[in-house]
Amino acid sequence: QKEVEQDPGPLSVPEGAIVSLNCTYSNSAFQYFMWYRQYSRKGPELLMYTYSSGNKEDGRFTAQVDKSSKYISLFIRDSQPSDSATYLCAMSGASSGDKLTFGTGTRLAVRP
Amino acid sequence: DTAVSQTPKYLVTQMGNDKSIKCEQNLGHDTMYWYKQDSKKFLKIMFSYNNKELIINETVPNRFSPKSPDKAHLNLHINSLELGDSAVYFCASSLGLTNTGELFFGEGSRLTVL
Repeated sequence: QKEVEQDPGPLSVPEGAIVSLNCTYSNSAFQYFMWYRQYSRKGPELLMYTYSSGNKEDGRFTAQVDKSSKYISLFIRDSQPSDSATYLCAMSGASSGDKLTFGTGTRLAVRP
Repeated sequence: DTAVSQTPKYLVTQMGNDKSIKCEQNLGHDTMYWYKQDSKKFLKIMFSYNNKELIINETVPNRFSPKSPDKAHLNLHINSLELGDSAVYFCASSLGLTNTGELFFGEGSRLTVL
């Protein structure tokens, strides 16, 4: 079983929908939680990171972490066709220099 | 002006050959990485260097050898290529050692081994 599990999708939604992307993990040592967006044939780009449990909002994006359930989510409000991409969750431990462990990504398509 | 650039973008080669991928960053970062992304989009770290010093060396076959001639460059040499080496290889950099994921990735080098 992988340390980080993520539904690969694809997930197809109409423009304007609220999108929910999720990851579960098994390693309780993870303290930092990230979401990356990866467009086709491009490298991943960091959307946001969260430390420990709680919520973090950045524009249309909200990240949630529930460490008790080992479950993290990314919500995208008012989704746009330009949000169509693969979304990767990633996690790391408390020490700087701890490696990132990635999920396999969820492919999202937002239909105009 | 590309922040993290990799060459070549595409590489098609025969099994048993040796190949290199080069990476350069112009962000002034101290830390550089090599990641491998397989066909299922799973991204896994291979190596990280901080100020030219090897920090992370995952369980990668020793056919893979990274080289960091200076802080701005991290190259990857692969000997005796195998079919399973086919993947997209991403170079990334960060300001320093980080666990907050603030990495800048290149566009990837797509390696196909026939």
